[in-house]
Amino acid sequence: DAKTTQPTSMDCAEGRAANLPCNHSTISGNEYVYWYRQIHSQGPQYIIHGLKNNETNEMASLIITEDRKSSTLILPHATLRDTAVYYCIVRSYGGATNKLIFGTGTLLAVQP
Amino acid sequence: KAGVTQTPRYLIKTRGQQVTLSCSPISGHRSVSWYQQTPGQGLQFLFEYFSETQRNKGNFPGRFSGRQFSNSRSEMNVSTLELGDSALYLCASSFRESGTEAFFGQGTRLTVV
Repeated sequence: DAKTTQPTSMDCAEGRAANLPCNHSTISGNEYVYWYRQIHSQGPQYIIHGLKNNETNEMASLIITEDRKSSTLILPHATLRDTAVYYCIVRSYGGATNKLIFGTGTLLAVQP
Repeated sequence: KAGVTQTPRYLIKTRGQQVTLSCSPISGHRSVSWYQQTPGQGLQFLFEYFSETQRNKGNFPGRFSGRQFSNSRSEMNVSTLELGDSALYLCASSFRESGTEAFFGQGTRLTVV
């Protein structure tokens, strides 16, 4: 079972920041938070991951709370092309596996 | 560099038939995983291969099988197809055995009639 909880859907105005929350209250010390997104009818796309520090790359920023029980993915200037299902995934770094357990994700609809 | 390539993109099969799907990972990637996506069950892990060895298997019946070749290309096979096997089958490749991000292909859309 997925170890994360996300809202089913969210709306965001084009050009504004999109803040997508994720709860992972049972996360353990060696588990990272990963974010993927899936645009309709395409394969999921890796966005960002982090352990406990905030992370930023060219796509997004990831803010993880100090107790690591929740996180927020931030798309700083959402565009229509960011409309997708966003998945927050918790996975351990080791364990000889790249297996991902997907939950139901958040459908982000960017409105013009 | 080229991404993950899955063939064919679309496939229609009849109940009872068998099907083989192919995945070519990103050059240099040795880990390949397969997922099934349906509207009802979402994205579910099927199995994972690294260096021609199956490392993990999801909760699917034995009709679902796979293999990986020495060049890291992978195939999955579904025998005795059922209507419920209609789905998008996704392949993901990763560079190392663990702890690295997965890059997904566009998927194979299988329809069983």
